[in-house]
Amino acid sequence: KTQVEQSPQSLVVRQGENCVLQCNYSVTPDNHLRWFKQDTGKGLVSLTVLVDQKDKTSNGRYSATLDKDAKHSTLHITATLLDDTATYICVVGDRGSALGRLHFGAGTQLIVIP
Amino acid sequence: EAAVTQSPRNKVAVTGGKVTLSCNQTNNHNNMYWYRQDTGHGLRLIHYSYGAGSTEKGDIPDGYKASRPSQENFSLILELATPSQTSVYFCASGDAPRDRVNNQAPLFGEGTRLSVL
Repeated sequence: KTQVEQSPQSLVVRQGENCVLQCNYSVTPDNHLRWFKQDTGKGLVSLTVLVDQKDKTSNGRYSATLDKDAKHSTLHITATLLDDTATYICVVGDRGSALGRLHFGAGTQLIVIP
Repeated sequence: EAAVTQSPRNKVAVTGGKVTLSCNQTNNHNNMYWYRQDTGHGLRLIHYSYGAGSTEKGDIPDGYKASRPSQENFSLILELATPSQTSVYFCASGDAPRDRVNNQAPLFGEGTRLSVL
C-alpha cells in the first residue's frame, strides 16, 4: 500500500507563475519530511526538510509547510523558471530503526513553459 | 566535495547474465542504500548497509545481492538478470537523521539505467 501520495501527478505552468505541490502520507511515526528535486536523468537533490509538528521552511523561491496532525505537506514554487522543470519527490522518514527508513512518493512532474 | 558516483551509467544485459552495479561515496557516511525507480512508483529500497562488511535486506531484495567491502564502496549484484529487473537504479549514502540541525540529506548518485533483454 502506497504510504506517500503526491498530487498532482503532473503540472504545466507558464514561466513566472506560482505553483503548489501536495503530499499526503500515512507513514507512522513521521520523524521528518523532505522534498527533493530530480532533473531528467539525474539523481535526487534535497530542497528542504521539515521536522516539527507544524513546520515551515523557505529556501529562495521554494517554501514548504508540514502539518503532522493532518499528515500533509505542501511545496510552493514562486515565480517559476524554465530550470524548475523537473520531478519533485516527497519523502517521509520514520523512526523505525536507527537507519531512519525513508518512504518515497512517486513524484509530481512539473513542466515550465515559456 | 561530497559525492556519490555510480558505474556504469547505462547497461544492457541478457536474461540469465550476471550484472554488477557499483557505487562509491566520498562522504564518509556509514549508511549506503540501493534503490530502484520505476515509472509510477516511488523509489523502492533493495538493500542497505550500516558500514563496511554489513548488508541488510530492504523492501524488495529478491533477485539481488549486495556487497559492502569498504566504507566507500557498495555494490548491487544481479546473479541471474531477468527482464523484470529493467529499471533505473540509484545508490545513496547518508547517516541517521536527527533534528533539523543534524538532519543532513542523503546524497544520491545519478543513477544506472539497466535494460535486461
